[in-house]
Amino acid sequence: DIQMTQSPPSLSASVGDRVTITCRASRGIDNSLAWYQQKPGKAPKVLLYGASRLESGVPSRFSGSGSGTDYTLTISSLQPEDFATYYCQQYYGTPLTFGQGTKVEIK
Amino acid sequence: QVQLVQSGAEVKKPGASVKVSCKASGYTFTNHYIHWVRQVPGQGLEWMGTINPSGVSTSYAQKFQGRVTMTRDSSTTTGHMELRSLKSEDTAVYYCAAFIPPVVGDIKCPHWGQGTLVTVSS
Repeated sequence: DIQMTQSPPSLSASVGDRVTITCRASRGIDNSLAWYQQKPGKAPKVLLYGASRLESGVPSRFSGSGSGTDYTLTISSLQPEDFATYYCQQYYGTPLTFGQGTKVEIK
Repeated sequence: QVQLVQSGAEVKKPGASVKVSCKASGYTFTNHYIHWVRQVPGQGLEWMGTINPSGVSTSYAQKFQGRVTMTRDSSTTTGHMELRSLKSEDTAVYYCAAFIPPVVGDIKCPHWGQGTLVTVSS
C-alpha cells in the first residue's frame, strides 16, 4: 500500500497569510494526487487533481505543485471561508490512500 | 456534468446489514471504477474498496473482507455497497467516488457523492 504522510496536522493562521501543506507518498505516484477541503458535516470538496490541476470553480488562490513522492498545497492569501480540514489523496493505485488531514484554524 | 447521488441516511441495529446506493450520471458508467470511502465521526477518510467497470471484479480493504459486497447495475447506472454484521463502530458517513477524465485521455478528476450517514445503534 502507498502511505501518504501529510503535514502539519494542524496550523493556526490569519486572514491574508500564505499557507502551505505538504504530502509525501511512500513511493512515486506520478502526479495522481488530489487535494480536498472538508468543512464540518460536509462531503470533501475537490480543490485540485493531477497534483496541480485546479478544479472548476475553485479560487485561484489555491495551487498545487510537486512530483514523484512530494506534493504541496498552497493557499496564497487565506480567506475566512478557507478555515477547514484539508486532505491529500493518491489515486495512483489501490487501495486509495489519504493523508491524515490538516486542520487550518483561525489565529 | 458528472453527478453521484447517494441514497438517504439509515439507522440500523447491531448485527444488521445496510445497503447504500450511488446513482451516477453525466459520464459513460461502464467505463469507470466506483470506489467507496467512509469517514467515522471525527476521523479521517478510509477507503473500503472498489468495483471495476464491468462489475465482474472487486477489491476490498482487508478490514472489510467478508463483510462488504460491492455491486453495480449498468441498466440503472447505480452502484451499491452492502455492509453486513454492523457494529456501533461502523457508524460513519459512507461516500461513493469515481475518477473521470474531463475529456478522453485527460488526467482523471475525482467526483464524490454527497455521503450517506449510517448510524448503528441498539
